[in-house]
Amino acid sequence: EAQVTQNPRYLITVTGKKLTVTCSQNMNHEYMSWYRQDPGLGLRQIYYSMNVEVTDKGDVPEGYKVSRKEKRNFPLILESPSPNQTSLYFCASSRRREEISNEQFFGPGTRLTVL
Amino acid sequence: DAKTTQPNSMESNEEEPVHLPCNHSTISGTDYIHWYRQLPSQGPEYVIHGLTSNVNNRMASLAIAEDRKSSTLILHRATLRDAAVYYCILRDWNSGYALNFGKGTSLLVTP
Repeated sequence: EAQVTQNPRYLITVTGKKLTVTCSQNMNHEYMSWYRQDPGLGLRQIYYSMNVEVTDKGDVPEGYKVSRKEKRNFPLILESPSPNQTSLYFCASSRRREEISNEQFFGPGTRLTVL
Repeated sequence: DAKTTQPNSMESNEEEPVHLPCNHSTISGTDYIHWYRQLPSQGPEYVIHGLTSNVNNRMASLAIAEDRKSSTLILHRATLRDAAVYYCILRDWNSGYALNFGKGTSLLVTP
């Protein structure tokens, strides 16, 4: 089954404790990205990657890092989480850029609480 | 980016058709109209997209006005599972891959 998986699905942590949220897709997609969703603000893009070893900032990258060492994986790293990073996070993937109509596939979400 | 305007919420009875409107009066000639939806406690999922002509797929139909300044997502027979937030999004080559979800329309389906 074609899918995007995220782990963990739920996480409660404390300020300053480094954490990683993993994202993996099995569709051989070149493009992957991370969004956060907050009440009243909708979904906003954090980082994206056009291919292996190619990453770039989205609209709200502060406090986050990403890496793309393999095509299927795109982990989101919070080196020193703060309470304002409490949010619902979604990973997404899609096929190459030339197909503007390509649909994006989203993971099930990771609900992060930073105390 | 060109913006879209959608009603905050709509309500429908189960098994009846639902017409979800979207206004995009500043749409450019290269903007595609995409619809995504987000079911409760799930990630967004693609519904349909179009450029100028009406489109149909297994999930829904998309009716695009002749001047392209508005469009309507049509669910032919709403089910309880269709209760979700529906997002109308414009995309073109310049906007890259990021999806500007906006606030969407929250659809309530009642038995």
